[in-house]
Amino acid sequence: DVVMTQSPLSLPVTLGQPASISCRSSQSLVYSDGNTYLHWFQQRPGQSPRRLIYEVSNRDSGVPDRFSGSGSGTDFTLKITRVEAEDVGVYYCMQGTHWWTFGQGTKVEIK
Amino acid sequence: QVQLVQSGAEVKEPGASVKVSCKASGYTFSDSYIHWVRQAPGQGLEWMGWINPVNADTTYAQSFQGRVTMTRDTSITTTYMELSRLRSDDTAVYYCARTRGFDSWGQGTLVTVSS
Repeated sequence: DVVMTQSPLSLPVTLGQPASISCRSSQSLVYSDGNTYLHWFQQRPGQSPRRLIYEVSNRDSGVPDRFSGSGSGTDFTLKITRVEAEDVGVYYCMQGTHWWTFGQGTKVEIK
Repeated sequence: QVQLVQSGAEVKEPGASVKVSCKASGYTFSDSYIHWVRQAPGQGLEWMGWINPVNADTTYAQSFQGRVTMTRDTSITTTYMELSRLRSDDTAVYYCARTRGFDSWGQGTLVTVSS
């Protein structure tokens, strides 16, 4: 199985400050069709996960532009330019290249 | 808009089975695979498997093979996930999600396994 490793696992952030979450995979996530199936999800307390970013860097409809994704191969990053109160929750990366596996999750909280 | 609406919470005894439903609307049912994911209390997300609504082909994660069965009823655009031989560590919220990229999720179904 492909192992997804996120860091940090806990991220206290000051409102208005940036945040960055790293996600590394144990194998390259480039699929045979040339696409990289690495996605990012936000799970607010008590809610279902919601996809924010698909295929590394594409923002889903309705997702604020303060969220961005980047990376390639085995190394990926989710960035929030200015954290707002509504961004509190757990963020997961997920790969869909070699079946599907999730990272452990990163808990974002306000300092 | 795309909606996945799941069945309500369940309480089961160890050794029993549970069947959770996921009704799809707002898109062509046959266009998108449905995946199932579970989340134990306070834990992360675990992929369980998927079903192709067109031909009912399934693929299950190795850790669930032999205990999970995914089916669908195209007439009511609903997929089902049945988990058998329940144990206390199967207590979790079970989610359905759409497409290879999990672009939409159901609201989740809490399954509690307790004697």
